[in-house]
Amino acid sequence: GIQVEQSPPDLILQEGANSTLRCNFSDSVNNLQWFHQNPWGQLINLFYIPSGTKQNGRLSATTVATERYSLLYISSSQTTDSGVYFCAGKNYGGSQGNLIFGKGTKLSVKP
Amino acid sequence: EPEVTQTPSHQVTQMGQEVILRCVPISNHLYFYWYRQILGQKVEFLVSFYNNEISEKSEIFDDQFSVERPDGSNFTLKIRSTKLEDSAMYFCASSEFGGTNEKLFFGSGTQLSVL
Repeated sequence: GIQVEQSPPDLILQEGANSTLRCNFSDSVNNLQWFHQNPWGQLINLFYIPSGTKQNGRLSATTVATERYSLLYISSSQTTDSGVYFCAGKNYGGSQGNLIFGKGTKLSVKP
Repeated sequence: EPEVTQTPSHQVTQMGQEVILRCVPISNHLYFYWYRQILGQKVEFLVSFYNNEISEKSEIFDDQFSVERPDGSNFTLKIRSTKLEDSAMYFCASSEFGGTNEKLFFGSGTQLSVL
């Protein structure tokens, strides 16, 4: 099945800094999503982005499907951005039709 | 904004007991899922459900697990005889669309502790 690698595994930022999180896939995906798990454990869907670029406030994401990676950009980080960021993908029609999650990037934003 | 709701938020049970975790998906969604996350680890797929039947299940979803949509709003996960290793956060999710257009919305989870 598809392998999902996220980097870095841990990231500590000062409030106001920018960051880039990366997600690599071992095989092509036609469905890719980014999630934020806040310190209370809730999983929030940030982006559905199988290709191209999307922006939502201070967050944006870019997926280069042909090169099997996706990037999540966080600008002007705030303490409320802390938590774990997961990417998840699947290749619908392949042997596994369910979303495969990476291990996540744990982000800590310090005031 | 519509959301997926899960009850209870915490469940403590003795090994060998049956537990039922409950979920109310977003009302116009047709695809339903259960995932779990063992503490500090990644989110793992258990099962997907569409049109009143299981679409896909992982190797974790063995004969001890079952899912049901008993009415038009609830979606349940039953573990017949819990084991210590079933301790995890269980997430329900739903999606309006399936396949390549599947976009998951998760509930807040049920933390299951098996003693």
